[in-house]
Amino acid sequence: QKEVEQDPGPLSVPEGAIVSLNCTYSNSAFQYFMWYRQYSRKGPELLMYTYSSGNKEDGRFTAQVDKSSKYISLFIRDSQPSDSATYLCAMSAMAGGSYIPTFGRGTSLIVHP
Amino acid sequence: GAVVSQHPSRVICKSGTSVKIECRSLDFQATTMFWYRQFPKQSLMLMATSNEGSKATYEQGVEKDKFLINHASLTLSTLTVTSAHPEDSSFYICSASGIGGPRTTEAFFGQGTRLTVV
Repeated sequence: QKEVEQDPGPLSVPEGAIVSLNCTYSNSAFQYFMWYRQYSRKGPELLMYTYSSGNKEDGRFTAQVDKSSKYISLFIRDSQPSDSATYLCAMSAMAGGSYIPTFGRGTSLIVHP
Repeated sequence: GAVVSQHPSRVICKSGTSVKIECRSLDFQATTMFWYRQFPKQSLMLMATSNEGSKATYEQGVEKDKFLINHASLTLSTLTVTSAHPEDSSFYICSASGIGGPRTTEAFFGQGTRLTVV
């Protein structure tokens, strides 16, 4: 079992839909949870970052972490065609004095007009 | 936000030659840099972690003599793919964190370098 599992999709939704992206993980030591957005042939950009369990909201994006279930989610409200990208979850724990993120494989999201 | 610049964005080289990729932190001191490799529709695979002034720590299965990493200053790290072969063709991405910039818990990424070996 991989440390971080993420459905690669693709997930296709109409413009304006609420999108739910999820990851599960097995390492209970993970403390920091991130979501990155990656457009084709570009480096990932950090969208959201949360510590431990709970919710965090930023504009149309909401990140949720449920450590008891080892499950994290990213919700996108009022999705736009410009949201079409690959979304990678990442999580990290202290190792050797540093936090090195472990990434999911990414979910491809397509928002069609 | 913190800016990490990676150069070149795309390179094509002949088999057997070496290619150098640069990763720069533009507005903070990058004490730690990470180098990743990404195959199409696959996740980021960590190749190595480098701390400024120290030797890089390579992940299992990554050949340190083939992928030379130098992190000689707080703003620059380089990855050199030596004696490149077609199977080395991939998307290489760096990320950085450090003083005055993102914590290691939220590393920021460069734009990536698409390497094609012919």
